[in-house]
Amino acid sequence: EIVMTQSPATLSVSPGERATLSCRASQSISGNLAWYQQKPGQAPRLLIYAASTRATGVPARFSGSRSGTEFTLTINSLQSEDFGVYYCHHYNYWLCSFGQGTNLEIK
Amino acid sequence: EVQLVQSGAEVKKPGESLKISCKASGYRFTDYWIGWVRQMPGKGLEWVGTIYPGDSDTKYSPSFQGHVIISADSSITTSYLQWSSLKASDTALYYCARLPDAFDMWGQGTMVTVSP
Repeated sequence: EIVMTQSPATLSVSPGERATLSCRASQSISGNLAWYQQKPGQAPRLLIYAASTRATGVPARFSGSRSGTEFTLTINSLQSEDFGVYYCHHYNYWLCSFGQGTNLEIK
Repeated sequence: EVQLVQSGAEVKKPGESLKISCKASGYRFTDYWIGWVRQMPGKGLEWVGTIYPGDSDTKYSPSFQGHVIISADSSITTSYLQWSSLKASDTALYYCARLPDAFDMWGQGTMVTVSP
């Protein structure tokens, strides 16, 4: 089983600043890594797939990167609407695993 | 427009059976895997399994294997998640989602409550 570990559990950032969220895979997963944003009462929304490709309609302030088994979601110039829980997700059609989530709070 | 529309909330008793649905539209249903994801109250996302409607090939998370069945009916572009004997611990919000590259489109979720 591939375990995805996200850090930090909670992140508090002021509007206009940068938020950096991390996700580590327990073993090599190639580039099949996605990031989702979930707000209360809503389904998750795909932000990034293939580690660094923005999904359709996602603002350019969201970016993803990879270094080995470490993946990073960076949100530049944080907006108030960017609050929510962010999940990383290792995906294949035969096996998926999610990280436990990072709760991004707006200061 | 790609849409996944799920069936409504359910309240069941332990031991009862249940089948919830996910109706797809706006794309070729048989060309993409459909996944199911559980979210227990106040908790994170858990992968349940995925199905390829083109040939009904199905993969399950080890945590759910043997407890749920995922199926699909391509004639009505609908996927299903079913239980034969519910437990209180099955109480959760269940999402279906399309899987081309990652889960790019999600249903609105079906809340399943299992209580005596």
